[in-house]
Parts: sequence; structure tokens; C-alpha cells
Amino acid sequence: EVQLVETGGGLIQPGGSLRLSCAASGFTVSGNYMSWVRQAPGKGLEWLSIIYSGGSTYYADSVKGRFTISRDNPKNTLYLQMSSLRVEDTAVYYCVRGNGGSYLGWFDPWGQGTLVTVSS
Amino acid sequence: EIVMTQSPATLPVSPGERATLSCRASQTVSSNLAWYQQKPGQAPRLLIYGASTGATGIPARFSGSGSGTEFTLTISSLQSEDFAVYYCQQYNNWPYSFGQGTKLEVK
Repeated sequence: EVQLVETGGGLIQPGGSLRLSCAASGFTVSGNYMSWVRQAPGKGLEWLSIIYSGGSTYYADSVKGRFTISRDNPKNTLYLQMSSLRVEDTAVYYCVRGNGGSYLGWFDPWGQGTLVTVSS
Repeated sequence: EIVMTQSPATLPVSPGERATLSCRASQTVSSNLAWYQQKPGQAPRLLIYGASTGATGIPARFSGSGSGTEFTLTISSLQSEDFAVYYCQQYNNWPYSFGQGTKLEVK
């Protein structure tokens, strides 16, 4: 079964750092393009970052320079290292697999999400 | 950045009725558009990709149409489990962008 399971969320103070993990099963993270998407409480969806099978990475302007996407191929796990966290980063963070033959595609599956709360 | 605009924000519909949701792109996205369904407390679920191709396991009552800048998601006969929030997403240009969502509520 194709599945994504995120962990690592929690309560963190503004300015702090946190690393989210996303364990994949049923497919290889290294052979697909993977993204992180977040959803602030009561709000819509915001794409954050992508990593391609070749290792290239891209970021939304809102997190560029603060967040880093990476993966561990033997562990088949995707990561999102978040630093200089702000109150407005409070959200549920989802990892997703990209689909489609081009370098841009639709998202499926989605993990269950992990909640990050940035507050003093 | 391509801005995706969904309408209406909320759509009151009775079970068994047909629901039509709209999504407009600020510039053409060809057919590179997906629709997702999100129920409270759950992750989004892929419904449609390529503007009109149903994802695996999605009931036939869900259908998508459109290309360029105007897209429609139609639910032919609403079931109780269909009351949720629906998002469109373009994947034609960087960065990816989502609409703000349409909430289907019981009339």
C-alpha cells in the first residue's frame, strides 16, 4: 500500500527550529518528486517545497531561506527542516508525492499531516 | 504566480441534487488542473487530475471539465459523504497554487 506518515510536529517558540519527517511505504521517495504543503488553521492549502529525484529543490517565497527539504534514501524518508519559525508558520504540514510525467504534477497520496504550533 | 479563484465560497445543496463548483485561473494552465476533497480533520484526497481524469477509486458521480482558465467540478447526485471542502490546484507553472476552496453544505 502506498502511504505517507508524517511526524515531528509540536509546539515551538518563535525563532525556533523543528524538523518534520515523512516516512514513505509502497514506493521510493528517491524515485519520485516529493513536496510539502501546509494548511493554517481554518485556511486553504499552500505549497512550500519540492525535491526531485535528481536532488534539485525549490521553495515558495514564504519559506525560502528558512526551510530546507531533504531525503534519506535508505530510510525512504522525506524531511522538512524549519528554522526561524514565525507565528504565521502555525499549520498542519502535509507531505505529498507528485505525479505526472513532467516536472510539475498533481499530488497523491497525502500524508495525514502533522501540526506545528509556533507560539510563545 | 497564477492565482486560482474558486466560486462560490460556500454552496448550499440538498442531498441528491447536482453540485457545480467553479475554478478560474488568472492565466492559462492548459489542462494541468487537479481537484481535491477535504473532510474535517482529514488530509485532502485527489479526485480529478488533468482537468477531467478521475483518480483511482473515485465514484463516477464526480466529473471535471474545462481547459485554459475555466474549470468545473460537477457532482451529479450529492451523497451525505460528499459534504466537504473542495480545492482546485494548478500544476502548469511555478509555483504550484491552490484555490481558496468551496465548501459544500447541507441546504
